[in-house]
Amino acid sequence: EIVLTQSLATLSLSPGERATLSCRASQSVSTYLAWYQQKPGQAPRLLIFDAYNRDTGIPARFSGSGSGTDFTLTISSLEPEDFAVYYCQQRSDWPWTFGQGTRVEIK
Amino acid sequence: QVQLQESGPGFVKPSETLTLKCTVSGVSITDYYWAWIRQPPGKGLEWIGYILSSGNTNYNPSLKSRVTMSLDTSKNQFSLKLSSVTAADTAMYFCARRLGTSGWIDTWGQGVLVTVS
Repeated sequence: EIVLTQSLATLSLSPGERATLSCRASQSVSTYLAWYQQKPGQAPRLLIFDAYNRDTGIPARFSGSGSGTDFTLTISSLEPEDFAVYYCQQRSDWPWTFGQGTRVEIK
Repeated sequence: QVQLQESGPGFVKPSETLTLKCTVSGVSITDYYWAWIRQPPGKGLEWIGYILSSGNTNYNPSLKSRVTMSLDTSKNQFSLKLSSVTAADTAMYFCARRLGTSGWIDTWGQGVLVTVS
């Protein structure tokens, strides 16, 4: 199965700063990669799909890039509500898999 | 507006079968594809499998021998059965809707915590 590695377990930043999260796949997933945000006690929320498409209602400060094995989620200017855990997911090969998550915490 | 609600026991004994249902409101289950995903406490997410509107299924190979998913169109529900559970199956279980025919999840239930003990 394809392993997704999110290199940072935790990212400590201040509101207003830029967040750059990475996700690396153990083999190419083309652009079949998504990003989700999960807050404590809640289900995940789809932010980005197919590497760079924002889901409906997702603010423009969230952007995704990459293809093949290396992907990035960028939050251009952190808002207080953005502090959460972020997961990447691939749908290139079954079983579809998630990364282990990156927690973005307030510095 | 589509809503998903999981239901089922919060505790299951080891070796028994975990059974969960997901009640869908706002859309017909025959118009979409559905999934079950779980998350052990404090850990990441794992696909259990998915079921198409036709009733066809696809299960994670790591769980395939123990998983059964089905649709109940009369109740607009779909269900998950996981047999021979162990403590490793303790997790929050989410039912979810796939975004079209893609493998992305655009709608989630709130989740139900199932403890095997």
